Amino acid sequence: GEDVEQSLFLSVREGDSSVINCTYTDSSSTYLYWYKQEPGAGLQLLTYIFSNMDMKQDQRLTVLLNKKDKHLSLRIADTQTGDSAIYFCAESTTGGGNKLTFGTGTQLKVEL
Amino acid sequence: NAGVMQNPRHLVRRRGQEARLRCSPMKGHSHVYWYRQLPEEGLKFMVYLQKENIIDESGMPKERFSAEFPKEGPSILRIQQVVRGDSAAYFCASSLKREVYEQYFGPGTRLTVT
Repeated sequence: GEDVEQSLFLSVREGDSSVINCTYTDSSSTYLYWYKQEPGAGLQLLTYIFSNMDMKQDQRLTVLLNKKDKHLSLRIADTQTGDSAIYFCAESTTGGGNKLTFGTGTQLKVEL
Repeated sequence: NAGVMQNPRHLVRRRGQEARLRCSPMKGHSHVYWYRQLPEEGLKFMVYLQKENIIDESGMPKERFSAEFPKEGPSILRIQQVVRGDSAAYFCASSLKREVYEQYFGPGTRLTVT
């Protein structure tokens, strides 16, 4: 079955790096995604990675994928107060159509 | 280029009433998805539609919920005889093609059942 898990909270100081982790169980995952949700808002697609990739970098964001361990991480360099939000990991599979399976979200709090 | 639009943004209904949630996909997108987010939970897939077709409704409750995406106009998620447990944020997403694994989300409709 499909299951995506994340830790619930992460607190970092402004300027530090944040690392948000995610584990998934479906070995047929094709794409893995990171979404950001600010309070009262919808989800913003931050980045995604194809399952045959190990890493993807986009400005301050670095995604690492360990397919063997089914572990995905999002690193935010030089974290700013504007990065405070809930971050959702999600997966989609070839056989599952285009539906996304989401984790429960990690609330990132950036402190001064 | 307007993003995915949803209305209303907030909807209050009394138990037993009907709720209609609307979603206009991004321009050129013909695939629409509905997700539900219960308080302090992640999003759960409900239904995937293309114009005039329901492709996957595996996440829809069997009763009271229905969805459509007509040839013209927005996609509609309809909840009949709402109950308190239906209180949630309902998000719509759209994508360009079935093969494109990028879904862009609307701001959501927050339904409160009193």
